Amino acid sequence: ETGVTQTPRHLVMGMTNKKSLKCEQHLGHNAMYWYKQSAKKPLELMFVYSLEERVENNSVPSRFSPECPNSSHLFLHLHTLQPEDSALYLCASSHSPGLGSGANVLTFGVGSMLTVL
Amino acid sequence: GENVEQHPSTLSVQEGDSAVIKCTYSDSASNYFPWYKQELGKGPQLIIDIRSNVGEKKDQRIAVTLNKTAKHFSLHITETQPEDSAVYFCAENSGYSTLTFGKGTMLLVSP
Repeated sequence: ETGVTQTPRHLVMGMTNKKSLKCEQHLGHNAMYWYKQSAKKPLELMFVYSLEERVENNSVPSRFSPECPNSSHLFLHLHTLQPEDSALYLCASSHSPGLGSGANVLTFGVGSMLTVL
Repeated sequence: GENVEQHPSTLSVQEGDSAVIKCTYSDSASNYFPWYKQELGKGPQLIIDIRSNVGEKKDQRIAVTLNKTAKHFSLHITETQPEDSAVYFCAENSGYSTLTFGKGTMLLVSP
């Protein structure tokens, strides 16, 4: 365990379903991230929250909706997804970007493997 | 960061050999260069990093070198072992931005 816990580990959903991915960190970090990992592509940054405020949103489709109720928890709400959204979704945490050298070091969870049928 | 190119995409070596993975970047403001290792079924984990004020850093069997003039940095693994088999990602940023990752290199170490 890295200190970043993701649930569920695996999720299969239809295109009309609504589901959520959950991430929790116990490292005292105050920034949290969602990344999408697809085969043969770089890790794609989706959202960044720093001190519970969304500070980055990389043109992600609105069918992905993040929520950060506090600095330890992060959700990714999914609705009307497409088959091309099937991927491994990784959550990570760090100290807030720009606040010292430790800000660059990301701690990742094991990911949630999503399959959209 | 802007763009990070990583090569090779796959690398197969015999146990005991050395492995080298190279990355190039385009943002001249980049000043932090980490390497992450992702084992099967796990998330990426930081294994070594280097900042732009040094040219080389070592940690036991792994080392990273940085050439800021040429805008490239490399990961070197010596005396490879089967447990080194994983996907390795390079990344960079300029301190106040988020990390930009390469596409990854799948390293396979055969016994």
